[in-house]
Amino acid sequence: GAGVSQSPSNKVTEKGKDVELRCDPISGHTALYWYRQSLGQGLEFLIYFQGNSAPDKSGLPSDRFSAERTGGSVSTLTIQRTQQEDSAVYLCASSPGINYGYTFGSGTRLTVV
Amino acid sequence: SQELEQSPQSLIVQEGKNLTINCTSSKTLYGLYWYKQKYGEGLIFLMMLQKGGEEKSHEKITAKLDEKKQQSSLHITASQPSHAGIYLCGAVGSNYKLTFGKGTLLTVNP
Repeated sequence: GAGVSQSPSNKVTEKGKDVELRCDPISGHTALYWYRQSLGQGLEFLIYFQGNSAPDKSGLPSDRFSAERTGGSVSTLTIQRTQQEDSAVYLCASSPGINYGYTFGSGTRLTVV
Repeated sequence: SQELEQSPQSLIVQEGKNLTINCTSSKTLYGLYWYKQKYGEGLIFLMMLQKGGEEKSHEKITAKLDEKKQQSSLHITASQPSHAGIYLCGAVGSNYKLTFGKGTLLTVNP
């Protein structure tokens, strides 16, 4: 596609439920990043993929968070047993490489009630 | 880990005025990115700087990376309400991780 696509754009879930957030990067982009942006906070790095592997998972807040990427393309961020503090905008970005700009999706706004 | 500090945290200017936003890194910058974000939207890529002393312009926005590659500035000339938003600087470290400053909230009053 022309840009990075994220779905759903909005998600409201009950505390304790699991959620899956999807990111479709730009075709051919090998690097894929997930970030979280909470109200009034900066962008918090979650995880980085190069191809299908994740060299850096250091930003995942807890073991309730996991992510995978298949076929060097689509990535899914899964949050298990959601908590209210998980409420945030989750942003995905992709890039063809380190010397190129990173293109961001419009994000998924997650609200845990 | 690399830390980016942006200043000011927020800025209110009258339409037509010039303004500058700064981004200072705790380590040498291998690549410095400027993004703009409007409330509830994703990040819009503005510019990328890599070489010390590099300067790039797009419309009324100019960004510079200093010679030592530890500080960048973003300058807007003759600001307009359309320039309002959050400006974020991001940097790629040696581990290829893109990290961001906390952003500068710009308000332009008509």
